[in-house]
Amino acid sequence: DTGVSQDPRHKITKRGQNVTFRCDPISEHNRLYWYRQTLGQGPEFLTYFQNEAQLEKSRLLSDRFSAERPKGSFSTLEIQRTEQGDSAMYLCASSLTGDSSYEQYFGPGTRLTVT
Amino acid sequence: QQQVKQSPQSLIVQKGGISIINCAYENTAFDYFPWYQQFPGKGPALLIAIRPDVSEKKEGRFTISFNKSAKQFSLHIMDSQPGDSATYFCAASMSFGNEKLTFGTGTRLTIIP
Repeated sequence: DTGVSQDPRHKITKRGQNVTFRCDPISEHNRLYWYRQTLGQGPEFLTYFQNEAQLEKSRLLSDRFSAERPKGSFSTLEIQRTEQGDSAMYLCASSLTGDSSYEQYFGPGTRLTVT
Repeated sequence: QQQVKQSPQSLIVQKGGISIINCAYENTAFDYFPWYQQFPGKGPALLIAIRPDVSEKKEGRFTISFNKSAKQFSLHIMDSQPGDSATYFCAASMSFGNEKLTFGTGTRLTIIP
């Protein structure tokens, strides 16, 4: 399977705990995006990387959130001191810069439930 | 500020009928307009996309109609099938810069026999 993969698919955690999610993009894609989707809403942009550089962060990304993409391959999204409002589906997408189609391909998401 | 407005919120169509979902955008800098299909528990899957230089694009049973002056675009699903039952999202982005997608709020489509 050469699509975008995410791990874990589901995560249940208690309020105040830290969680980390992983995204593996399509292998030749140099851009990687994180989005958050709450129930009944469309995905909202959180942050994106071009290769290993994090180039933009949304105001939705509070100081408790941090993302990395070491060596421009996989990416991790960490949430510290989780709150119930963090419960959502976290989606990763990748694309290829210079590809005139600008197509972003999404992974299956990680559903986070904070109790 | 909601930059992409989508309607209707839900839609029920008989099998074989035409499903139509509409979107309107505010930012005139948007120049790429994709539609995504999402099944429960899955990530969004790219269905079809259009640029403002054309007014219509067709792929199989799916057609996007684009009206630049009205800042509106719509998805038409011809010969709708039960397997098309899903949530559909329109989105928009700018082709310069980060190309981040701004999504509509989604339309839950149900195709009944």
